[in-house]
Amino acid sequence: EVQLVESGGVLVQPGRSMKLSCAASGFTFSSFPMAWVRQAPTKGLEWVATISTSGGSTYYRDSVKGRFTISRDNAKSTLYLQMDSLRSEDTATYYCTTDYYWGQGVMVTVSS
Amino acid sequence: DIVMTQGVLPNPVPSGESASITCRSSKSLVYKDGKTYLNWFLQRPGQSPQLLTYWMSTRASGVSDRFSGSGSGTYFTLKISRVRAEDAGVYYCQQVREYPLTFGSGTKLEIK
Repeated sequence: EVQLVESGGVLVQPGRSMKLSCAASGFTFSSFPMAWVRQAPTKGLEWVATISTSGGSTYYRDSVKGRFTISRDNAKSTLYLQMDSLRSEDTATYYCTTDYYWGQGVMVTVSS
Repeated sequence: DIVMTQGVLPNPVPSGESASITCRSSKSLVYKDGKTYLNWFLQRPGQSPQLLTYWMSTRASGVSDRFSGSGSGTYFTLKISRVRAEDAGVYYCQQVREYPLTFGSGTKLEIK
């Protein structure tokens, strides 16, 4: 069974950092580009970042460029999102996804 | 950035009827390989998104043949035949032609 399990979401103050993880199982993780997609409360889906299979190429939306870093460890079948200088507008449920497979999401709340 | 604009459905749709959801892109989603890089997702209430179709018209594995995607380079339709209660939720189109990847704002389907 395919599983993507996100972790690391908490309440954090503006300007602080947080790292999300996504543990994958049930498929060949290293063969899939991976992405983070977020959804603010009551809002639509918003693409955040994508990483290639090797990790050699990464892509970000402008609003997180320079603040967020997507990475992966294929040996551990795990995807990461390092989020620095967090802002209130980063508050959302964050999903890790291959497009085909989606995690259950992890809530990140940025508030003082 | 490519802007994705989705239409509105005349909700609720009677069970057993058909529903067509439209999506328009601000730029052609046809790549040099001839494929059209357009995904459709369904997000049921309280759940993670589910991929329905990719490359505009290819159904994802396990997706009912009641779902069919079609369109041109900039105008797309997702048709749902014989709608059922389980089809209720918000439908999103997404372009994966170029970065930044962008979603439409979503189209809500309610079933009567």
